[in-house]
Amino acid sequence: KAGVTQTPRYLIKTRGQQVTLSCSPISGHRSVSWYQQTPGQGLQFLFEYFSETQRNKGNFPGRFSGRQFSNSRSEMNVSTLELGDSALYLCASSLGTGESYEQYFGPGTRLTVT
Amino acid sequence: GDSVTQMEGPVTLSEEAFLTINCTYTATGYPSLFWYVQYPGEGLQLLLKATKADGKGSNKGFEATYRKETTSFHLEKGSVQVSDSAVYFCALRGQGAQKLVFGQGTRLTINP
Repeated sequence: KAGVTQTPRYLIKTRGQQVTLSCSPISGHRSVSWYQQTPGQGLQFLFEYFSETQRNKGNFPGRFSGRQFSNSRSEMNVSTLELGDSALYLCASSLGTGESYEQYFGPGTRLTVT
Repeated sequence: GDSVTQMEGPVTLSEEAFLTINCTYTATGYPSLFWYVQYPGEGLQLLLKATKADGKGSNKGFEATYRKETTSFHLEKGSVQVSDSAVYFCALRGQGAQKLVFGQGTRLTINP
């Protein structure tokens, strides 16, 4: 079974621009979660989508948004980029139901804002 | 809210040494507990999990036991290898929750 894929792997953007990151989950998984990883804040939860609906949201400003398509693929968008948005963005896929499901992570997208 | 605390790193050991990385958590009810590993330049890989009190997760020689009474989920390995060098994250998913809450990570370096 193919794993979680994320595109692009690396991005360099300028402050004020916007960016869209993509995540394709494992086949059959209906849940996609997004996390931000930085050296200072560690791993922080952004949001989770299940069957095209945002089911849970972390404590990030409205500049961070996402969506999920009918094939479970997900995108996240960051508008009006700030220097502090430089991070590794990880997506994780899971079944999303049941008591003990695991989340499987993709390789991440490294975003650098200059 | 839910939280996870890991022992601070970095941790440096010699090959074949015994490894313990401490992890304690704060959560209501019975969360699911996980250890993830991150190699340089990669995403997180699920190493092991335990979903009920006194449950034990194990994989690739690593073990961790879900201790409800001490709210702990310490990671252990009897004999580490150079290839175990990575950053290890303890995480929990609260009962009925969808998101993972991570500890700050522990960087492990194994010297030959």
